[in-house]
Amino acid sequence: AQSVTQPDIHITVSEGASLELRCNYSYGATPYLFWYVQSPGQGLQLLLKYFSGDTLVQGIKGFEAEFKRSQSSFNLRKPSVHWSDAAEYFCAVVGATNKLIFGTGTLLAVQP
Amino acid sequence: DTGVSQDPRHKITKRGQNVTFRCDPISEHNRLYWYRQTLGQGPEFLTYFQNEAQLEKSRLLSDRFSAERPKGSFSTLEIQRTEQGDSAMYLCASSSDRGLEKLFFGSGTQLSVL
Repeated sequence: AQSVTQPDIHITVSEGASLELRCNYSYGATPYLFWYVQSPGQGLQLLLKYFSGDTLVQGIKGFEAEFKRSQSSFNLRKPSVHWSDAAEYFCAVVGATNKLIFGTGTLLAVQP
Repeated sequence: DTGVSQDPRHKITKRGQNVTFRCDPISEHNRLYWYRQTLGQGPEFLTYFQNEAQLEKSRLLSDRFSAERPKGSFSTLEIQRTEQGDSAMYLCASSSDRGLEKLFFGSGTQLSVL
């Protein structure tokens, strides 16, 4: 069965520091992968997605992610974090039944 | 384009009561999804409509849950005889024929069952 693992439940970084959020997926075929962000009391907003082609994907708000098939990973990165980036981040994969399967999320806190 | 709207934003009810939530998708979107999100978890798929047809239901959707999308526009999700385990955020999302490639989520309805 398809699944997504986000190993880090909670991460704290200083403003201006770099960020990497980890995501590992389990899926036999070529996966469709997504990163979403959710601010408190809000719905999910799509940051970026990977379907095929270039394995380094650029998204909104200065985020990028790299698909690594050999490691079954799709980690999210940002070179310099802003206080407004504090939120919960979800990795997701489209499974065989054409549904989004989400990870459990990583809660990002940003220290001034 | 006003985005996906959900109503109410919050609902507090007593165990055993029925509740109904509404979702208004983006107007030209023919696909509509319901997800449930509990504390500390990612959203879980509940059901999916294409126009007015309910094409798929998760095993999470017990007999107490029913969803409709009359005329292929807004959708309602009803929970009968609510239980404390139903407490969660219920998220609606919509998309065009591009499907999951471009999915827009509403802000959700937070249900608390006392």
